[in-house]
Amino acid sequence: KNEVEQSPQNLTAQEGEFITINCSYSVGISALHWLQQHPGGGIVSLFMLSSGKKKHGRLIATINIQEKHSSLHITASHPRDSAVYICAVRLFQGAQKLVFGQGTRLTINP
Amino acid sequence: KAGVTQTPRYLIKTRGQQVTLSCSPISGHRSVSWYQQTPGQGLQFLFEYFSETQRNKGNFPGRFSGRQFSNSRSEMNVSTLELGDSALYLCASSRGLAGGTNTGELFFGEGSRLTVL
Repeated sequence: KNEVEQSPQNLTAQEGEFITINCSYSVGISALHWLQQHPGGGIVSLFMLSSGKKKHGRLIATINIQEKHSSLHITASHPRDSAVYICAVRLFQGAQKLVFGQGTRLTINP
Repeated sequence: KAGVTQTPRYLIKTRGQQVTLSCSPISGHRSVSWYQQTPGQGLQFLFEYFSETQRNKGNFPGRFSGRQFSNSRSEMNVSTLELGDSALYLCASSRGLAGGTNTGELFFGEGSRLTVL
């Protein structure tokens, strides 16, 4: 079993829909990252969380440390949100040793 | 402010050759980490450098090595290339702090896409 599991693996939705991507992990962590990867490979860090909730524009990320679970929400989704979203956990303080989920491929149709 | 720069962006090698990839972090960032991305295994951590010292290493064979220079630029080297080394190699930089504790926000380069024939 992978240490980091994402669901769903693929998600197709219509423009304007509310999107939720889930990430569960089985190890102790110091932080969790949500990353976005567009075709061509470049990765953008969306959030780094160690507790609670963060919001940037239409994106919201939450984490429940006790339940070892995080969610990424996209409100009013748009075709430009189409990308692969990757959850990654940092295993211990002061390091960048990340363990990655397998990614969620999101497609937003106009 | 310039982002993370990786060179070369694309390269083709043959089995048995070696390759060196370069990563220039954002100015002022002292931590550089490297990752391999393949369709089969996804993203995997290779190693991390902070102030010229390797702090962590992933589960890769000794053919994979790296180093960091005093200006924080980093290189990774893969010797005796195998077909399975074909991948997108990504580096990321972050600010890091003197005690080694890292603020953690990562900035990724565009990657170097290696094809081994």
